[in-house]
Amino acid sequence: KAGVTQTPRYLIKTRGQQVTLSCSPISGHRSVSWYQQTPGQGLQFLFEYFSETQRNKGNFPGRFSGRQFSNSRSEMNVSTLELGDSALYLCASSLEEGRGGYTFGSGTRLTVV
Amino acid sequence: DQQVKQNSPSLSVQEGRISILNCDYTNSMFDYFLWYKKYPAEGPTFLISISSIKDKNEDGRFTVFLNKSAKHLSLHIVPSQPGDSAVYFCAATNPSISNFGNEKLTFGTGTRLTIIP
Repeated sequence: KAGVTQTPRYLIKTRGQQVTLSCSPISGHRSVSWYQQTPGQGLQFLFEYFSETQRNKGNFPGRFSGRQFSNSRSEMNVSTLELGDSALYLCASSLEEGRGGYTFGSGTRLTVV
Repeated sequence: DQQVKQNSPSLSVQEGRISILNCDYTNSMFDYFLWYKKYPAEGPTFLISISSIKDKNEDGRFTVFLNKSAKHLSLHIVPSQPGDSAVYFCAATNPSISNFGNEKLTFGTGTRLTIIP
């Protein structure tokens, strides 16, 4: 079955712009989480959605937001981009009962110039 | 505040020998631990996990050991193979009050493992 699909793979944006990233989870997975990976910081949790509701949120400013649609697809939005937002953004999906059953997508590499 | 720490940013091991990757945590509420492997330009891939009720879990060449009193876990890879060269992330979760299955993962900063042929 298809894995977690993230689009686009690469993105270059200018400071001050906004960006929307997309994640399609594995079919049947209802939970979607987003992580930011930067050198030296590892993977930092952004937020998690289940059945269109945000259940958990990490320590990121309000410029970072997300949503989940009825088909479990999720989008992440970053407004007023800053240079420090340059990172690999990873999406992970899992079944409701899935402890450890997290499957990651290949990520979207965002570069802010 | 780094609650999950991987103090070795890199490790080189001869092919065929044992690779030992270490991870320490500070939050005593963590009750489930996972190891992920990541190749460049790909997302992390789940390797192996361990619940806090166990001290060892084995899956083929991969074994994870948990020492709760020391708040330390390690991943052993035996024998190491060239395809094991990747970045390894340790992750931990807190129990969820509502018992939903997908608590957030707290990751370490990763250890880059290089297997020397």
